[in-house]
Amino acid sequence: QAGLTQPPSVSADLRQTATLTCTGDGENVGNLGAAWLQQHQGHPPKLLSYRDTSRPSGISEKFSASRSGNTASLTITGLQPEDEADYYCSSWDSNLSAWVFGGGTKLTVL
Amino acid sequence: QVRLQESGPGLVKPSETLSLTCTVSDYSVSSSHYWGWIRQPPGKGLEWIGSVYHSGSIYYNPSLQNRVTLSLDTSKNQFSLKLTSVTAADTAVYYCARDASGGPGDYWGQGTLVTVSS
Repeated sequence: QAGLTQPPSVSADLRQTATLTCTGDGENVGNLGAAWLQQHQGHPPKLLSYRDTSRPSGISEKFSASRSGNTASLTITGLQPEDEADYYCSSWDSNLSAWVFGGGTKLTVL
Repeated sequence: QVRLQESGPGLVKPSETLSLTCTVSDYSVSSSHYWGWIRQPPGKGLEWIGSVYHSGSIYYNPSLQNRVTLSLDTSKNQFSLKLTSVTAADTAVYYCARDASGGPGDYWGQGTLVTVSS
């Protein structure tokens, strides 16, 4: 099954900004956009954004998502220790008629 | 606040069928949302299994669809997963979730670990 591509790890300094990327193709990210989820160890994932830029209620504005072509991005500003987590992107693949996920990016706050 | 809770055996023998149920509270499964299952093998990433709608519409992961059956019981406000012919590769934390309009899950259960072992 086709998946989305994410870097396995990203690190950034405390109080700085991190940008995570997710690359798909025209059947998924490039067509219907992407969603981003955050997962802390031992907890279920939490939806941070959907349809490229929309945020569910209660999600901090420090999380902002965008897309350019087949690549989606999640930018996290003012990094704090609690932002250390695994981040997954996901998109609906219109060819597969299935949700596809990226492999996840582990964010380390230095 | 939508609440979801997975239930089912934590240990399944190889070649047998894994069966899980998700009970939804404070929201109707008859609403305009799909309801889905996602799993996560220990130390690995997320894998979508499938999603079901109260009208009977169902989508399955193509890599699992010959072994998976999803169903929804509006009278009990539950939906269920059956995965046949399991192997050790099916060992994972299984999550149920409400599909968002643009994402695979705006509300999630806490997850349940299912181990496939004799």
